[in-house]
Amino acid sequence: DIQMTQSPSSVSASVGDRVTITCRASQGASSWVAWYQQNPGKAPKLLISGASTLQSGVPSRFSGSGSGTDFTLTISSLQPEDFATYYCQDANSFPPTFGGGTKVEIK
Amino acid sequence: QVQLQESGPGLVKPSETLSLTCTVSGGSLSPYYWSWIRQPPGKGLEWIGYIYYSGDTKYNASLEGRVTISIDTSDNQFSLKLTSMTAADTAVYYCARTSTLRGSDSWGQGTLVTVSS
Repeated sequence: DIQMTQSPSSVSASVGDRVTITCRASQGASSWVAWYQQNPGKAPKLLISGASTLQSGVPSRFSGSGSGTDFTLTISSLQPEDFATYYCQDANSFPPTFGGGTKVEIK
Repeated sequence: QVQLQESGPGLVKPSETLSLTCTVSGGSLSPYYWSWIRQPPGKGLEWIGYIYYSGDTKYNASLEGRVTISIDTSDNQFSLKLTSMTAADTAVYYCARTSTLRGSDSWGQGTLVTVSS
């Protein structure tokens, strides 16, 4: 199975900060990496698919990049509603493993 | 827009079988995969398995032998059965619509299942 390792596991940031979350696959993950946002007590929400394709309705301050084994989710200017936990997933692997999550906390 | 809703017991005794159903409204089961994903309290997401609208299934090997996912296209529902439940199976269980390349774009609200005598 492909393992998806996220870093950092948590990050403290302020409104307006630029935040970058990294996901490393144990083997080549093609380009079908998805990113999800999860707020406490809520279901995950798909933000990005195919490593860089923003889902409809997702603000443009979110962006994704990467290929092969290294992928990145960037929030260009953190907003209050962005404080949440973020997960990556290799959507093309079997099983479609999730990363361990990155909690974005208020500084 | 498609909506998913999990239903089933919130409490299961050790060694018993968990049965959950996900009802899909506002859309067809075709041509998607339909997944079950769980999240133990305070922990990350674990993919359990999925079923294609045609009935083909794939399961996480870590749960193989304990899990069965079925689908009822006439009622727009799919279901999860997980046998031999233990405390380690205590989690919020989510159902989700899945595309094998895009990921899961629609989720139910989740249902907490606690395993306890």
